[in-house]
Amino acid sequence: DQQVKQNSPSLSVQEGRISILNCDYTNSMFDYFLWYKKYPAEGPTFLISISSIKDKNEDGRFTVFLNKSAKHLSLHIVPSQPGDSAVYFCAASARRNNNAGNMLTFGGGTRLMVKP
Amino acid sequence: DSGVTQTPKHLITATGQRVTLRCSPRSGDLSVYWYQQSLDQGLQFLIQYYNGEERAKGNILERFSAQQFPDLHSELNLSSLELGDSALYFCASSSFSLNSPLHFGNGTRLTVT
Repeated sequence: DQQVKQNSPSLSVQEGRISILNCDYTNSMFDYFLWYKKYPAEGPTFLISISSIKDKNEDGRFTVFLNKSAKHLSLHIVPSQPGDSAVYFCAASARRNNNAGNMLTFGGGTRLMVKP
Repeated sequence: DSGVTQTPKHLITATGQRVTLRCSPRSGDLSVYWYQQSLDQGLQFLIQYYNGEERAKGNILERFSAQQFPDLHSELNLSSLELGDSALYFCASSSFSLNSPLHFGNGTRLTVT
C-alpha cells in the first residue's frame, strides 16, 4: 500500500520556465511534508518542508503548496535552472510525541530534466 | 556535505554471505534511520534507532538486523544474502525536534552476485 505517490516518473521543462512536481498521499495522519532532491551517487538532500497547519511555504525559487482536503502537495520551482535536474522525492511524516524524530514515508520520485 | 558518513561506499558479495554497513550520524543527532532503495524506486524505511534504542520498524526482513552503539553510530547487518537484496542502503539522522528533517548519507551500494 503506497501511502505517498508521485504519479509522474519524469518531467522535462525548459530553462527559465516553471517546474511543477506533484505528490499525493492517503494517510490522513500525515502532518509534515518534505521535498528532497537527489543527484546520482549522492544521498537525498533536504529541500523544503511544510507543516499541515500551513498551505504554502516558500524558500527562494522553491515553493511547496499543500491541499489537505485533496491530500495533495506540489513543489514549484521558478525559474527552473539546468542544475535543478535531479530526482525529486516527496516525503511525509506522522509526527509522534515521543521525541524520537520523524520517520518519513517516501514517494517513488520524479526525475526532473531542465533543458538549457 | 550532510554530515552523515556511511561506509563502505560499495560492497560486492556472494549469495548466502553476511555484510555489515556502518553509519555515523551528524554531530548531536540522536536518531538514526535506515532506508533501502532498489532499482531507482522510492526509499523504503527499514528501521529507526533513538539514542541506542529501537523506535520504529518498517519493512525489514528477519535476515536483517541493526543496532545503535553508545557513541551513536549504527550498523545494519544483512545475512543470508539473496540477489534481491542488491540495492542502495541509506542511513539518515535527525535531531529529536518534531520538525527536524532527516539528513542522509551518500549510501552504500550493495551488489549480491
